[in-house]
Amino acid sequence: AQRVTQPEKLLSVFKGAPVELKCNYSYSGSPELFWYVQYSRQRLQLLLRHISRESIKGFTADLNKGETSFHLKKPFAQEEDSAMYYCALMQAQKLVFGQGTRLTINP
Amino acid sequence: DTEVTQTPKHLVMGMTNKKSLKCEQHMGHRAMYWYKQKAKKPPELMFVYSYEKLSINESVPSRFSPECPNSSLLNLHLHALQPEDSALYLCASSQDGTGRSGNTIYFGEGSWLTVV
Repeated sequence: AQRVTQPEKLLSVFKGAPVELKCNYSYSGSPELFWYVQYSRQRLQLLLRHISRESIKGFTADLNKGETSFHLKKPFAQEEDSAMYYCALMQAQKLVFGQGTRLTINP
Repeated sequence: DTEVTQTPKHLVMGMTNKKSLKCEQHMGHRAMYWYKQKAKKPPELMFVYSYEKLSINESVPSRFSPECPNSSLLNLHLHALQPEDSALYLCASSQDGTGRSGNTIYFGEGSWLTVV
């Protein structure tokens, strides 16, 4: 069965430091992966999807099929990046989420 | 416009009450979803409607009854709920429900439900 693993429940970094939020997946087919972000008291928002290879708010994520990973990276963290981040995998009509990583950026 | 609108934002209901959550989107999307999110947990899929037909029911108890009156609207009827059903209920939509590449799911703000 498909599964998404985010090994870190909490991640805390200083402003200006690099950030990496880890995501590993298990899926037998060709995965379609997403990163969603949930800021405090706001809706779950799409941050990135792997097929578009875009950079949003300075974040990037590369699909590594060999390591079955889709880690989210940003070179210089900003305080407004503090939020809950979910990695998700789409299979047919189902979006399966990882457990999420709460990112805190310290001033 | 990538907005999914949910009402009410907050709902408190007794275990014998009957209430409904409503969801609307005007993006021309033909797939709509209900997710349930407990505190500090990821969203969990409940139902999927594709072209106004129920295509997935993730073994949800019958006290939750979805309805899709038309392609823009999705309701979740609630009856005889339990306190453990208290959660954030998220509606979402996507272009279609085929899961084809590029089919992004957009979420509403959610309805906070408290069962007393």
